[in-house]
Amino acid sequence: GESVGLHLPTLSVQEGDNSIINCAYSNSASDYFIWYKQESGKGPQFIIDIRSNMDKRQGQRVTVLLNKTVKHLSLQIAATQPGDSAVYFCAENSGGGADGLTFGKGTHLIIQP
Amino acid sequence: NAGVMQNPRHLVRRRGQEARLRCSPMKGHSHVYWYRQLPEEGLKFMVYLQKENIIDESGMPKERFSAEFPKEGPSILRIQQVVRGDSAAYFCASSPETGGVTEAFFGQGTRLTVV
Repeated sequence: GESVGLHLPTLSVQEGDNSIINCAYSNSASDYFIWYKQESGKGPQFIIDIRSNMDKRQGQRVTVLLNKTVKHLSLQIAATQPGDSAVYFCAENSGGGADGLTFGKGTHLIIQP
Repeated sequence: NAGVMQNPRHLVRRRGQEARLRCSPMKGHSHVYWYRQLPEEGLKFMVYLQKENIIDESGMPKERFSAEFPKEGPSILRIQQVVRGDSAAYFCASSPETGGVTEAFFGQGTRLTVV
């Protein structure tokens, strides 16, 4: 069953270091994945996406890696900045975009000065 | 070009009252998704609507919750006879007709507190 009310996993990194945030997804039929950033009091903000026919996708300072064998997704943020502090969620979609997303529980990224 | 607008941003209701949450999609978007987020949790899908149609409500509680997206005006998420467990942040996202959830943008959310 689902765990409710647990604190989010927290990742604390030094400013300027690289961050790696991990996510295990549940549905082997999922064919599309998104990473979102959610700052306090705000809605999720799209960061980067990847389709299941890809293993890696790069954006500006961010890279997403997909390992379908073990159903694992990771988000790498290069040279983290104070503005990167937020909760990061992975989300999966198995309906070809025709239905809602299934979100993971999230990781709280804290940037130390 | 305004983003997805949700109002109110904060809503306080007493147990037993009704809560109405509004979502105005981005201009040109005809699909709306509602999600609920409990503290320290990820977002949970509730319902997916197109104009005048409910496409998928598999995440909606069977009782007290309803959603609509009329031809004119915002999408409304309605919670009747609210209970403390309904306290959460409710987010909506909108996407264009051809994009689906893969091109969805989220609003700032409505934080419902039931006292």
